[in-house]
Amino acid sequence: KAGVTQTPRYLIKTRGQQVTLSCSPISGHRSVSWYQQTPGQGLQFLFEYFSETQRNKGNFPGRFSGRQFSNSRSEMNVSTLELGDSALYLCASRDLSYNEQFFGPGTRLTVL
Amino acid sequence: ILNVEQSPQSLHVQEGDSTNFTCSFPSSNFYALHWYRWETAKSPEALFVMTLNGDEKKKGRISATLNTKEGYSYLYIKGSQPEDSATYLCALVSEAGGTSYGKLTFGQGTILTVHP
Repeated sequence: KAGVTQTPRYLIKTRGQQVTLSCSPISGHRSVSWYQQTPGQGLQFLFEYFSETQRNKGNFPGRFSGRQFSNSRSEMNVSTLELGDSALYLCASRDLSYNEQFFGPGTRLTVL
Repeated sequence: ILNVEQSPQSLHVQEGDSTNFTCSFPSSNFYALHWYRWETAKSPEALFVMTLNGDEKKKGRISATLNTKEGYSYLYIKGSQPEDSATYLCALVSEAGGTSYGKLTFGQGTILTVHP
């Protein structure tokens, strides 16, 4: 089975722009979670989607949003980018029969 | 704010040494605990999912134990090898319900370096 894939792998944006990141889960996995990793804060939960609905949300401002499509692929959007949004964004997919989450390689976002 | 703490922050050992690190969490918020290994430039790799007090899990030279009553888990590596060098993360599931397993609260990680 192919693993979790994320595109793009690297992205450079400037302050005020918006960005969309994509995550394709493992085939058959219907849950997708997103995490942000920064040196100071570690890995922090952003949100989880299942059946095209957001099921859980972390403590992030409304500039961070996401969606999930009928094929379980998910996108994450950040609007009005700030310097502090520079981070590695990881997504993880999960088969609801099991508790294990499988992570993708991440998208490295740099905001200048 | 949920506090998941890992110690030590970093560890340097020689090849062949055995080592262990700790993950502490609030016992009142426990539903499951995950351990991950994260090598540089790779995806975090799941090691164990632990749910029951007294759980012991093993994968090759790596094992983990869980004490939910006192709120800690230990990860042990026997006979460390250079390829074990990575960041080891624990993550807590702190809410009940099937969809809550998609929400992990991570510790800051322990960076392990194994010198040949």
